Amino acid sequence: KAGVTQTPRYLIKTRGQQVTLSCSPISGHRSVSWYQQTPGQGLQFLFEYFSETQRNKGNFPGRFSGRQFSNSRSEMNVSTLELGDSALYLCASSLDGGLGAYEQYFGPGTRLTVT
Amino acid sequence: GENVEQHPSTLSVQEGDSAVIKCTYSDSASNYFPWYKQELGKRPQLIIDIRSNVGEKKDQRIAVTLNKTAKHFSLHITETQPEDSAVYFCAASYNTDKLIFGTGTRLQVFP
Repeated sequence: KAGVTQTPRYLIKTRGQQVTLSCSPISGHRSVSWYQQTPGQGLQFLFEYFSETQRNKGNFPGRFSGRQFSNSRSEMNVSTLELGDSALYLCASSLDGGLGAYEQYFGPGTRLTVT
Repeated sequence: GENVEQHPSTLSVQEGDSAVIKCTYSDSASNYFPWYKQELGKRPQLIIDIRSNVGEKKDQRIAVTLNKTAKHFSLHITETQPEDSAVYFCAASYNTDKLIFGTGTRLQVFP
């Protein structure tokens, strides 16, 4: 099976712009979670989507949003970019928590640089 | 709020020695504890996990122990090899709720 994929892999944006990142989960996986990784804050949870619904949300401002499509692919959007949004954005997919399959598998990440 | 503390932040060992990384979690409802290995420039890779109904789990040179009463869990790597060098993250969650990650341990294995 193909692993989790993310596009684009690298992105450079200017302060004030917005950005959309995409994540395709492992085939059959219905849950997609997003994390922000920075040297200072480590790995922090953004949100999780399951069956096109946001099921969990972390402590990030409303500028960070996401959605999931019927094929389980997910996108996250960051509006009004700030310098502090520069980070590696990782998505992870999971089979289905209801079946006790909690394992999350990560994609390669999108490296976002805000200038 | 929910929190996972991880120690040490850096660990240097000689090849062949053992390495132990410890984590403590705050949310007593947590029931799933994975460990991830992240090599430089790579994605975090799930290497082992443990559920709250199990006290210990082993996979070749890697083992994880869980003490629910004390709310801490540890990663044990035996017979370390240079390719074990990476950053290791522990995490805790309740079912598929958000993973709360520790701050990471940079392990260096010297030949």
